[in-house]
Amino acid sequence: QVQLVQSGGEVKKPGSSVKVSCRTSGGTLSGYIINWMRQAPGHGLEWMGGIITSFGRIDYAQKFEGRIRISADEDVRTVSMVVNSLRSEDTAVYYCARVRDPCRSVSCAMDVWGKGTTVTVSS
Amino acid sequence: DIEMTQSPSTLSASVGDRVTITCRASQSISSWLAWYQQKPGKAPQLLIYKASTLESGVPLRFSGSGSGTEFTLTITNLQPDDFATYFCQHYNSYSLTFGGGTKVEIK
Repeated sequence: QVQLVQSGGEVKKPGSSVKVSCRTSGGTLSGYIINWMRQAPGHGLEWMGGIITSFGRIDYAQKFEGRIRISADEDVRTVSMVVNSLRSEDTAVYYCARVRDPCRSVSCAMDVWGKGTTVTVSS
Repeated sequence: DIEMTQSPSTLSASVGDRVTITCRASQSISSWLAWYQQKPGKAPQLLIYKASTLESGVPLRFSGSGSGTEFTLTITNLQPDDFATYFCQHYNSYSLTFGGGTKVEIK
């Protein structure tokens, strides 16, 4: 069973950037489509963007376009997301999740989720 | 963006009950809808995709129905493990949106 392992929690100052990462417990993410979501305390889930690793195509939610950057490393062992210009409202748990086969876009159901990375933005 | 509205936001029920959660889309999404269960401090788990297809390993007491703009998740014979928050999610374009969630709590 594939597992997605996320990087550890972060505490950041307003205006700074944070990088959260996602890798499999074994092997690579090559061929996977990985989405990033976040969940602020007591709130629902919000899709931020995703990457189709086979093509290198990246789609961003309009709300986050220009403020986040999603990428995969060269051997596609890790997918990462950088969030820039952090503000207190970005305090949330950030999740990566795999799009369920046989979907070919980011816009699909997701069957494997990471455990989440808590990002706290505080002065 | 397509908006997803879930109701109710909270539902009180007892073990053995049949519960129904509704999700409405602001425009037609055909059958491109998924349902997830989330427990406190945990990541969501996929229950149903394509509106009515049960994900492998999910108990048969969970079922989904609907198409277009109105969808339902039904849990028959509610079990103690089912007390959780449930989210719907649409996926019919190059974006996706979640409903606000329905918390199923013990009556």
